[in-house]
Order: sequence, then structure tokens, then C-alpha cells
Amino acid sequence: NAGVTQTPKFQVLKTGQSMTLQCAQDMNHEYMSWYRQDPGMGLRLIHYSVGAGITDQGEVPNGYNVSRSTTEDFPLRLLSAAPSQTSVYFCASRPDRVKGKLLFGSGTQLSVL
Amino acid sequence: GENVEQHPSTLSVQEGDSAVIKCTYSDSASNYFPWYKQELGKGPQLIIDIRSNVGEKKDQRIAVTLNKTAKHFSLHITETQPEDSAVYFCAASKVRDTGNQFYFGTGTSLTVIP
Repeated sequence: NAGVTQTPKFQVLKTGQSMTLQCAQDMNHEYMSWYRQDPGMGLRLIHYSVGAGITDQGEVPNGYNVSRSTTEDFPLRLLSAAPSQTSVYFCASRPDRVKGKLLFGSGTQLSVL
Repeated sequence: GENVEQHPSTLSVQEGDSAVIKCTYSDSASNYFPWYKQELGKGPQLIIDIRSNVGEKKDQRIAVTLNKTAKHFSLHITETQPEDSAVYFCAASKVRDTGNQFYFGTGTSLTVIP
């Protein structure tokens, strides 16, 4: 198993540009989620999904969209990037919505100029 | 929602000494408490976890204790080694209809001095 795979590892955007951060897992995990990590603020939940076709908002969802068309993939979309979205983004998954260990990908470092 | 506070934010210890990181949580319904280690440029890795029906759990040099009454839990690392140097995060989670949501502390940067 490759685990949780995130692409790209690094990305620089200009304000107003759009992009999609990719996340894939090959463990047949039902639950997938996106976090952002900012200095001094720990990890904050952006969006999560408890299965294909089901998504919900976390603590900081504004400016981000998600969809879950397959069990394996959970992309995060920035429709119009802002400097405040400069951060490190982590995707994480677990076997189901209520139990199992939460496993993280290696992250995407995003800079918005 | 849940509020998780973590202390200290930085910690330096001599190799071979013990390190203790403490977290408090606000929601008494939280019932699962994992700890993560994050090395530079990598994603957080789960190192140990504890459920609310257990007071202590140990895995080799790492142990976690939970005091439900006081709503705090701690990570203990004994016989520290330079490779223990990393940022450590605690988290609290509770069961919800829509799936557990994890709330993370702000992290502790641990440096083990050889």
C-alpha cells in the first residue's frame, strides 16, 4: 500500500488563480479529510468526507471546495487563491467515520503571492 | 466545539533524559486522544493513542496518561534520543453522527541535545 498520496508537494500561485490539490489513498478508507497547518495554530480541519458522494465542512471551509466521486480520491479546490491561503495542506484518511487510526499524507506547501 | 491546549511550545532536553508534553481539552464528550510526531518536511505520524476507558498506555519508551476528571492527557518519552527531535501534536476526538472530528493542539517542538 502506498498509503495517502498528495500532489503536488510544492505550488506557487498568484492571487486569484485557481488550482486543485490532489489526494489519493489505496487503503479503501471511508473517511478522508483536509487540514491546513499554519505556524502557532496547529492543524485545522477544512473539509471532510465519510464516503463517496458525502462531504461536510470543518473549522475553516471558506475559500475551499471538495468533492468525493470515488472512495480513493478527495481533491481540494481553491477557486480564487488569496494570500491568506498560504499554508501547508495535509490530507488524512481513516478506515471509517468513527474508528481506526487517522493517517496523514506528506503535505503540499502552497504559497499565494 | 472542542478546544485543545498544548504545553510547552518548545522543549529542550539532554539525551537520555525524559520529556513530558501536556494537553488539556474542553469537551468532556471527547473519547479518543492520539499523539502525532512530525519531522521536518513530512506529514504527522501517529505514535500512540489512548481511549477514554483507559488511564495509561505504554509502547516501549513512549507512554500516554489520561485524566478524564481533569480533562488532561500527557505524553511521556523516556531515555530520549536525538531522533526523537521533532514537533509533537496532541489531538482530541469524539464520536459524532457525521464522523469523528479531530481537534489538534498547537504543537511542541522537542529538541534532544546529544
